[in-house]
Amino acid sequence: AQSVTQLDSQVPVFEEAPVELRCNYSSSVSVYLFWYVQYPNQGLQLLLKYLSGSTLVKGINGFEAEFNKSQTSFHLRKPSVHISDTAEYFCAVCSSNTGKLIFGQGTTLQVKP
Amino acid sequence: DAMVIQNPRYQVTQFGKPVTLSCSQTLNHNVMYWYQQKSSQAPKLLFHYYDKDFNNEADTPDNFQSRRPNTSFCFLDIRSPGLGDAAMYLCATSRDDRPSSYNEQFFGPGTRLTVL
Repeated sequence: AQSVTQLDSQVPVFEEAPVELRCNYSSSVSVYLFWYVQYPNQGLQLLLKYLSGSTLVKGINGFEAEFNKSQTSFHLRKPSVHISDTAEYFCAVCSSNTGKLIFGQGTTLQVKP
Repeated sequence: DAMVIQNPRYQVTQFGKPVTLSCSQTLNHNVMYWYQQKSSQAPKLLFHYYDKDFNNEADTPDNFQSRRPNTSFCFLDIRSPGLGDAAMYLCATSRDDRPSSYNEQFFGPGTRLTVL
């Protein structure tokens, strides 16, 4: 079975500061990894994905994530956040044996002026 | 633009009164998913269709049913909504659901269900 742990439920940060949202996963099979963003009362929007190849993945809105196989992590980073980045962020894995998305519990990013 | 559309965006129903949520897609994807997302929680998969083949998750209550009359539309029926069924319901689509290949899921904006 696969599982995803997002280590922080809330991350407050000031505007223009860097941010890291942490995600760890467990799986006995190979996985694909994703970060989704959800704005209030909206659906999920894909930020970025890791399928294979380079472990540093760049996504939309200036976000990037690094896949670390030895630490089973896929942390999301942005060097300078904006007020508009305030949202819920979900890390997810898709296992190669079920094809289903398993989500973490989410991290609320609160960007303060 | 190709997209996933959910109607209505907000739905209010009474305890025990059947309700139907709608999802349509212009992506021509084979797979359509329904997720339930309760407040401050992760989305939870209820079931999905691969074409006309229905795949129910083991822990999805019998109170939840689904219909897919054609490729474009999929409906979520809640036969007797309880207070605990109040949630955001998300529809998603993907090209395929084969376990050995990756298929990105595209999400609709969701329908927020309130049960009075």
